[in-house]
Amino acid sequence: DTEVTQTPKHLVMGMTNKKSLKCEQHMGHRAMYWYKQKAKKPPELMFVYSYEKLSINESVPSRFSPECPNSSLLNLHLHALQPEDSALYLCASSQDVDRGYYEQYFGPGTRLTVT
Amino acid sequence: QKEVEQDPGPLSVPEGAIVSLNCTYSNSAFQYFMWYRQYSRKGPELLMYTYSSGNKEDGRFTAQVDKSSKYISLFIRDSQPSDSATYLCAMEGTSYDKVIFGPGTSLSVIP
Repeated sequence: DTEVTQTPKHLVMGMTNKKSLKCEQHMGHRAMYWYKQKAKKPPELMFVYSYEKLSINESVPSRFSPECPNSSLLNLHLHALQPEDSALYLCASSQDVDRGYYEQYFGPGTRLTVT
Repeated sequence: QKEVEQDPGPLSVPEGAIVSLNCTYSNSAFQYFMWYRQYSRKGPELLMYTYSSGNKEDGRFTAQVDKSSKYISLFIRDSQPSDSATYLCAMEGTSYDKVIFGPGTSLSVIP
């Protein structure tokens, strides 16, 4: 099973709301990633978790807060977002960051609209 | 110079054609080269990856890497309308846990 699931599929939120995006994988992968993708652009890396510890934080604003409760789950908490944060948010996983990091499996994404 | 460049297209071909998608890159240290397919409003799907130079074949898809020219290609034989998607090349970044994506080429296969 090479499936990464993400919920919700779509999310509309106001600039003062707090919401969370969820990601789950059952492939036994120990690295999980959050990407942001704007229309007609490639995915941009936001965060990398390795063995449930934050490994990479690509200078993402603090209004995005990642959390990795266990090796299968990854959350992205959102607070006080701006309209320019509207995008497709993608979760991915790989075996780990030392082996197989080049073989990432992506979820379907959450399409976020900030009003 | 961008690290990874890719012709954005759109590329439109008739069904059954051979499609060639290409990327160039600037960092000679890259070792792993990946191709992802992304349908509209979906997440990217890994098609295949290659290590260092050479060819790799998987069904109708062939990936080719020429490290001396810093050039990679994906060939699709007997293209089908279901191949219509955006194709993203990707490479391991200079940090071991980062992948750098090209901007993507939009492909339409016309029945």
